[in-house]
Amino acid sequence: DIQMTQSPSSLSASVGDRVTITCRASQGISNYLAWFQQKPGKAPKSLIYAASNLQSGVPSKFSGSGSGTDFTLTISSLQPEDFATYYCQQYYSYPLTFGGGTKVEIK
Amino acid sequence: QVQLQESGPGLVKPSETLSLTCAVSGYSISSGYYWGWIRQAPGKGLEWIGSIYQSGSTYYNPSLKSRVTISVDTSKNQFSLRLSSVTAADTAVYYCARRRDFDYWGQGTLVTVSS
Repeated sequence: DIQMTQSPSSLSASVGDRVTITCRASQGISNYLAWFQQKPGKAPKSLIYAASNLQSGVPSKFSGSGSGTDFTLTISSLQPEDFATYYCQQYYSYPLTFGGGTKVEIK
Repeated sequence: QVQLQESGPGLVKPSETLSLTCAVSGYSISSGYYWGWIRQAPGKGLEWIGSIYQSGSTYYNPSLKSRVTISVDTSKNQFSLRLSSVTAADTAVYYCARRRDFDYWGQGTLVTVSS
C-alpha cells in the first residue's frame, strides 16, 4: 500500500496569510494526486486533481504542485471560509489512500 | 449537475450487515468511471472502502475485503455497499463518490453500530 503523509497535522494562520500544506507519498505516484477540503459536518469537496488541476468552480487562490513523491497545496491568501481540514489522496494504485489531514485553524 | 445521495439504515446491530445505496443523478453510471465508497469514523480521517466500474469490476480495501461487497445497478443508476459482521468500529459517516479521484461526493450518511 502507498502511505500518504501530510504535514503539518495542524496549523494556525491569520486571514491573509499564505499557507502551504505538504503531502508525501511512500513511493512514486506520478501526478495521481487529489486534494480535498472538508468543513465540520460536511462532505469533502474536491479542490485539485492530477496534482495541479483546479476543479471547476474552485477559486484560483488554491494551487497544487508536485510530482513523484512530494506534493504541496498552497492557499495564497487565507480567508475565513478557508478554515477547514485538508486531505490529500493518491489514486495511482489500489488501495486508494488518503493523508491523515491538515487542520487549518484561526490564529 | 452530478449529484450522489446515500441512503440506508442509520442503526445496525453488531454482527449484522450494513447495507447502503448511492443514487446518482446528472450522470449515467453506464457512461463510465469508477464509483466508490469512503467512510469516516467520528473525529477521524478518510478511509477508502472500495470502488466499482459500470461493468461490475471491483476493487476493495484489503483491510475490509473479506466483509465488503459493492454492486451496481445501471438500470436504476445506483450502486450499493454491503458490509457484513459489523462491530462498533464500523460506526462512521459513509460517503459515496465518483471517479478514482472522487470529484463528486454524496452528503454522507451516519451509520451507528449498536445493540
